Amino acid sequence: AQKITQTQPGMFVQEKEAVTLDCTYDTSDQSYGLFWYKQPSSGEMIFLIYQGSYDEQNATEGRYSLNFQKARKSANLVISASQLGDSAMYFCAMREETGANSKLTFGKGITLSVRP
Amino acid sequence: NAGVTQTPKFRILKIGQSMTLQCAQDMNHNYMYWYRQDPGMGLKLIYYSVGAGITDKGEVPNGYNVSRSTTEDFPLRLELAAPSQTSVYFCASSNRPGGAGYTFGSGTRLTVV
Repeated sequence: AQKITQTQPGMFVQEKEAVTLDCTYDTSDQSYGLFWYKQPSSGEMIFLIYQGSYDEQNATEGRYSLNFQKARKSANLVISASQLGDSAMYFCAMREETGANSKLTFGKGITLSVRP
Repeated sequence: NAGVTQTPKFRILKIGQSMTLQCAQDMNHNYMYWYRQDPGMGLKLIYYSVGAGITDKGEVPNGYNVSRSTTEDFPLRLELAAPSQTSVYFCASSNRPGGAGYTFGSGTRLTVV
């Protein structure tokens, strides 16, 4: 079974509007972390936001917020006031385990296109 | 501040050839990782290291080898290149295991023909 599921087809949003990118995850661990990364067309991976499984409040970083619904095992990324530079591939990732062997597992990604 | 440096950026290999993808970080991070990204897909972990002298297999290690003789360097070796290894390879490092935000290199685009 996939650990990270991102099933949306390519997403489109009008500039200055908000958009939600979906992510569901599967784990039996109690302690885990959820991450979102952005990959623009240039190819680099840019860390956006992190949510720990024990964090009671949703993470926010500037225009990015993570809608964390633990019971539903979802960790959706919300981008407010979209900008043309937000056009990119977005990856959800999960860290399971604690200790030295913990590592990130990535979803397949979602392509976001921002229309002027 | 260099962060994570990967070389080369692009490479074309013939089937059966060997090469080493270089990765170096200057942040004194203990944890380093190699991922591959196939077209339109997410990243899959090849190998990782939790410190100098310690390496372990990830999800897709077949056809690859790594070494970690220093904290700074984590090279990835392809011994007998196959077309299935055509991919973009990313190296990442972290000061914590699976930490809140890896630092990624800019990637190496490898084509095997």
